[in-house]
Amino acid sequence: GESVGLHLPTLSVQEGDNSIINCAYSNSASDYFIWYKQESGKGPQFIIDIRSNMDKRQGQRVTVLLNKTVKHLSLQIAATQPGDSAVYYCAENVNNNAGNMLTFGGGTRLMVKP
Amino acid sequence: NAGVTQTPKFQVLKTGQSMTLQCAQDMNHNSMYWYRQDPGMGLRLIYYSASEGTTDKGEVPNGYNVSRLNKREFSLRLESAAPSQTSVYFCASTGTADSYEQYFGPGTRLTVT
Repeated sequence: GESVGLHLPTLSVQEGDNSIINCAYSNSASDYFIWYKQESGKGPQFIIDIRSNMDKRQGQRVTVLLNKTVKHLSLQIAATQPGDSAVYYCAENVNNNAGNMLTFGGGTRLMVKP
Repeated sequence: NAGVTQTPKFQVLKTGQSMTLQCAQDMNHNSMYWYRQDPGMGLRLIYYSASEGTTDKGEVPNGYNVSRLNKREFSLRLESAAPSQTSVYFCASTGTADSYEQYFGPGTRLTVT
């Protein structure tokens, strides 16, 4: 079946550097994408989203890029901080007859070295 | 606003026992979801409810049942727990017109021995 996946399971960066987390998706019908951050022992927390009619969206220190040609999504974190250490998930939304459903990727662990 | 709340936070069951996980949201959201998250893995959808009065199977529904009690509450029941159901269970809701963002509860950590 179609799925969302990630290229790198673990990413280690130095504090202050920029981080890039990648995600591949295969469902061309997906109309909306979200990045979530999950800290240990907590539920996923929304970071940023992007609709399929956009190719870039910026938030505070975070940018999401969408390349529909190659079905690729990335999350860029500027000036990575220790508090950014977490597992990051991309998710894609597909609207079927029963409603909207998010499909989550496998996650990338970001480790920030002080 | 408490957002999405889940009870209990932790639970240990013996194989064959039953239990119900409770979820409630106070954001007046239409849609609610139940996921499971196994160690080192992403979230997999068990069941969802697009609106009050409707429920549908997700990716991994076997061994579970759900009830959308009202707009606020969506419960997940394990009729006969199995060790393979050891996992962390998350409830989520969404309901805004502009975003498909799902708001997650803190999770229930379930161990089946």
